Amino acid sequence: GAGVSQSPSNKVTEKGKDVELRCDPISGHTALYWYRQSLGQGLEFLIYFQGNSAPDKSGLPSDRFSAERTGGSVSTLTIQRTQQEDSAVYLCATYTRDRGYTGELFFGEGSRLTVL
Amino acid sequence: GQNIDQPTEMTATEGAIVQINCTYQTSGFNGLFWYQQHAGEAPTFLSYNVLDGLEEKGRFSSFLSRSKGYSYLLLKELQMKDSASYLCAVRDRNSGAGSYQLTFGKGTKLSVIP
Repeated sequence: GAGVSQSPSNKVTEKGKDVELRCDPISGHTALYWYRQSLGQGLEFLIYFQGNSAPDKSGLPSDRFSAERTGGSVSTLTIQRTQQEDSAVYLCATYTRDRGYTGELFFGEGSRLTVL
Repeated sequence: GQNIDQPTEMTATEGAIVQINCTYQTSGFNGLFWYQQHAGEAPTFLSYNVLDGLEEKGRFSSFLSRSKGYSYLLLKELQMKDSASYLCAVRDRNSGAGSYQLTFGKGTKLSVIP
């Protein structure tokens, strides 16, 4: 597609359940970030993938959070045993270093997670 | 890591000029970005500075002073549609992980009033 696609756009789950959030990047974008944005707050870095390099997981808040990126394309963020404090909008953003790179991140519309 | 500070809220009048400041501390500076985020929407890219000085793009300009750890976003001829949050973000080379982290400030909520 033309832009970054995230699914689901909205997810309501019960405390203790696992959730998976998906990000389809712009074709050819080798770098992919996951961020979390709680209501009225700034963007909190979670994890960063760049090509075939090992991901930078330094922002993951606990071992309940994990992410993978298959074939350098689609990424999945998994939250196990969800807690109410996990409720937030999860944003995926990608970029490419090709052709006059400015660093512009292209964001998806986000997945809004509500943990009851 | 990084520490990024920007005002929480600002109010300005339609047609006026507003300057949103951002200060940061980082160990491996590799660029500063400004993003605009309307309520309920994803952030969109406004500007990128990696060298000192002013970058102008239409009604928006962004300034960087690396020695002072300081940037500002200048919005001219304000319009009602400029009401949004403005996010300052700093890219830092994370030497430990060999990656470039992009850390966002908490954002400045700008309200443009008639």
